[in-house]
Amino acid sequence: EDQVTQSPEALRLQEGESSSLNCSYTVSGLRGLFWYRQDPGKGPEFLFTLYSAGEEKEKERLKATLTKKESFLHITAPKPEDSATYLCAVQAKSSASKIIFGSGTRLSIRP
Amino acid sequence: NAGVMQNPRHLVRRRGQEARLRCSPMKGHSHVYWYRQLPEEGLKFMVYLQKENIIDESGMPKERFSAEFPKEGPSILRIQQVVRGDSAAYFCASSPGGTGSLEEQFFGPGTRLTVL
Repeated sequence: EDQVTQSPEALRLQEGESSSLNCSYTVSGLRGLFWYRQDPGKGPEFLFTLYSAGEEKEKERLKATLTKKESFLHITAPKPEDSATYLCAVQAKSSASKIIFGSGTRLSIRP
Repeated sequence: NAGVMQNPRHLVRRRGQEARLRCSPMKGHSHVYWYRQLPEEGLKFMVYLQKENIIDESGMPKERFSAEFPKEGPSILRIQQVVRGDSAAYFCASSPGGTGSLEEQFFGPGTRLTVL
């Protein structure tokens, strides 16, 4: 069964303290892996798509990487406005468009 | 360049009533997806639709839930005879469709359904 597990569930950092969020996945043939950001009371906001192991993508203070079993979202020198829940999701090659989401990591950045 | 629109943003129903949730995809998008998010849980896929067609409804409960995406107008997620367990945030997403390749899905702000 296709599955996505994110860790940690919650992470509190001081402003400027870099860290990484983990997304482990089990899927029968990966078509793509997505990262989204979700603020309280809002819909997920698309961040990145990764297609194959070894791929990396960057956006401001965020960098996403992908291996055959997991993805990392690295956050460098975070600011309070980076506080949000970060969601990882995968799509299998066998699926027309169904995306399977992890439960997310709640990131809190203290000033 | 409007994004995905959902209405209402908040909906309160009593047990046994019907709930209708609407979703207008981004301009130029012809594929629509519905997800449900329970408190403290991740998003769960419900259904994937194209105009006038249900492509994948493997995540939809077998009873009381239905979805449509007519040729004209928004996509509708309909919940009949609501129960307290239906209380959740319901998100709609859309993608362009027709490319044959992996497409990012763009999400609306959600409808928060509360069943009293």
